[in-house]
Amino acid sequence: QTVVTQEPSFSVSPGGTVTLTCGLSSGSVSTSYYPSWYQQTPGQAPRTLIYSTNTRSSGVPDRFSGSILGNKAALTITGAQADDESDYYCVLYMGSGILFGGGTKLTVL
Amino acid sequence: EVQLVESGGGLIQPGGSLRLSCAASGFTVSSNYMSWVRQAPGKGLEWVSVIYSGGSTYYADSVKGRFTISRDNSKNTLYLQMNSLRAEDTAVYYCARALGVTPHYWGQGTLVTVSS
Repeated sequence: QTVVTQEPSFSVSPGGTVTLTCGLSSGSVSTSYYPSWYQQTPGQAPRTLIYSTNTRSSGVPDRFSGSILGNKAALTITGAQADDESDYYCVLYMGSGILFGGGTKLTVL
Repeated sequence: EVQLVESGGGLIQPGGSLRLSCAASGFTVSSNYMSWVRQAPGKGLEWVSVIYSGGSTYYADSVKGRFTISRDNSKNTLYLQMNSLRAEDTAVYYCARALGVTPHYWGQGTLVTVSS
């Protein structure tokens, strides 16, 4: 059974840069999986940040960027701000459905 | 403007059935990949089901054989029929429209609580 892996938690200082990753329990993530990234704060619906690996959703600041790093998809936040403190989820397209990662809780302090 | 409004959630006993609706506006449901995604209390996002524009449907193993996704083109509405509900189905259920192949636009969610 395929599992999408994410770091459970990460911490970044205000103004700092952090890279969150999204991998597969078996195999490598490529653009063919159309990795997407979502931000979610408690009690709110997810907000789409990045889709198709590196395309920013409308209204998303350019300090959020997506890429493939090695064998994983990556979300990089450059110049982290306090309100970036959220849960971040990646999703991969598997053909017969999609799979979410377990999410990364990002702390900004 | 794309809008998705879920309804139909509530408290249901184990073994019961519930049908969720997702009324869409600003686009045509039948022309897009439409998914249901759920989130159990304090847990992460879990994909439940998808219906592709061509009509193909797919389900997570955890709901296969119990849930059915469908759409009503005349009402521009997505549905999720949930049967044989279990306590572990308790979650906020979101409908989502894809941009490309992954969810992009999200509804506000509807809470389903399975409990006696």
